[in-house]
Amino acid sequence: EDKVVQSPLSLVVHEGDTVTLNCSYEVTNFRSLLWYKQEKKAPTFLFMLTSSGIEKKSGRLSSILDKKELFSILNITATQTGDSAVYLCAAIQGGSNYKLTFGKGTLLTVNP
Amino acid sequence: NAGVTQTPKFQVLKTGQSMTLQCAQDMNHEYMSWYRQDPGMGLRLIHYSVGAGITDQGEVPNGYNVSRSTTEDFPLRLLSAAPSQTSVYFCASSYSISDRENEETQYFGPGTRLLVL
Repeated sequence: EDKVVQSPLSLVVHEGDTVTLNCSYEVTNFRSLLWYKQEKKAPTFLFMLTSSGIEKKSGRLSSILDKKELFSILNITATQTGDSAVYLCAAIQGGSNYKLTFGKGTLLTVNP
Repeated sequence: NAGVTQTPKFQVLKTGQSMTLQCAQDMNHEYMSWYRQDPGMGLRLIHYSVGAGITDQGEVPNGYNVSRSTTEDFPLRLLSAAPSQTSVYFCASSYSISDRENEETQYFGPGTRLLVL
């Protein structure tokens, strides 16, 4: 059975802290991994990771994929209250069975 | 370019009623999918399609039907609504296979909030 597991399920930090969110996956014919941020509406795209060991960076957010150990991390440095959201990761399966499997998400709360 | 659109935004149904949630995209994406999102459960795949005329079941297909007669539209039908189908439904689309990484990014519609009494 294909599965994506995120940890922790929830996290409360103070502004300025650095956080690391984890995503492990076990899917057949793995192709890529996606990270999304979801506030009170539809998820918005953050990163797509296809190659192992190559860090993707956008401002205070960065992410990396380890295809040998089957996991990815999302780092957020100098957190702000606007970073409060649910962070979702999803594994893309390629080939004739192309589809996405999402994890349950990590709820991040950043307090002032 | 409207992206992914969903209608209605909110719907209340009585148990046993049927309805269709509409989803359309104008980006010529091959891949379209329906998810439901419940508290603490993340996004669960209901049905998906890799092109017109091709559909397949996801993780939680029971009680839902789909069809894909055109590239643009991917409606989700609830045959006989049940309170367990109370949820927020998201439609998403993307290119399915591409050499350019970001073309596989899933674009989400704004969601449909469904309440079944």
